[in-house]
Amino acid sequence: GNSVTQMEGPVTLSEEAFLTINCTYTATGYPSLFWYVQYPGEGLQLLLKATKADDKGSNKGFEATYRKETTSFHLEKGSVQVSDSAVYFCALSMDTGRRALTFGSGTRLQVQP
Amino acid sequence: GAGVSQSPSNKVTEKGKDVELRCDPISGHTALYWYRQSLGQGLEFLIYFQGNSAPDKSGLPSDRFSAERTGGSVSTLTIQRTQQEDSAVYLCASSLESSFYGYTFGSGTRLTVV
Repeated sequence: GNSVTQMEGPVTLSEEAFLTINCTYTATGYPSLFWYVQYPGEGLQLLLKATKADDKGSNKGFEATYRKETTSFHLEKGSVQVSDSAVYFCALSMDTGRRALTFGSGTRLQVQP
Repeated sequence: GAGVSQSPSNKVTEKGKDVELRCDPISGHTALYWYRQSLGQGLEFLIYFQGNSAPDKSGLPSDRFSAERTGGSVSTLTIQRTQQEDSAVYLCASSLESSFYGYTFGSGTRLTVV
């Protein structure tokens, strides 16, 4: 079956540090890949997505590149802010059937001033 | 509405009681999903509704769980004879069609079974 593996958190960084959150996936076929973010007390929000190999998704200074050869979709940001503190979920969806998302377990990011 | 609305936001119930969780999707969204988020774990797919088609119930963990969607809009997730392992945040999401591009999630219902 399909699965997503994320690095365990929490990840604690100082403001303006470089962020990488690793995500790898296993899927039969070619999924679309997503990063969702959950701020404290809020619902999940789509952060960025990529629908085919070598696509780069970007939003709010975050980027992730769909790497088919390494089955990865690592999230990066060059300079984090305190307001980026949240839980980040990597997810995939196949373009068939119900298209439900398969999520990773989430990575909590804590950014200190 | 402007977003996906879920109620209640918090629910504490005694083991063995039944609970109903409600999801009011964005108007016009034909696809609706329920997920469960357990402490320290990722989100687990439960059930999917698309228009008037029969729901995909393949993610429901046991026959104590059921869901319905009336008139293609509001959905209710029912858990019968609740157990402590049912404690989790239950999230609802909707989209214009069965498209992964446009999910909008609600804020969830935190269920605690004591």
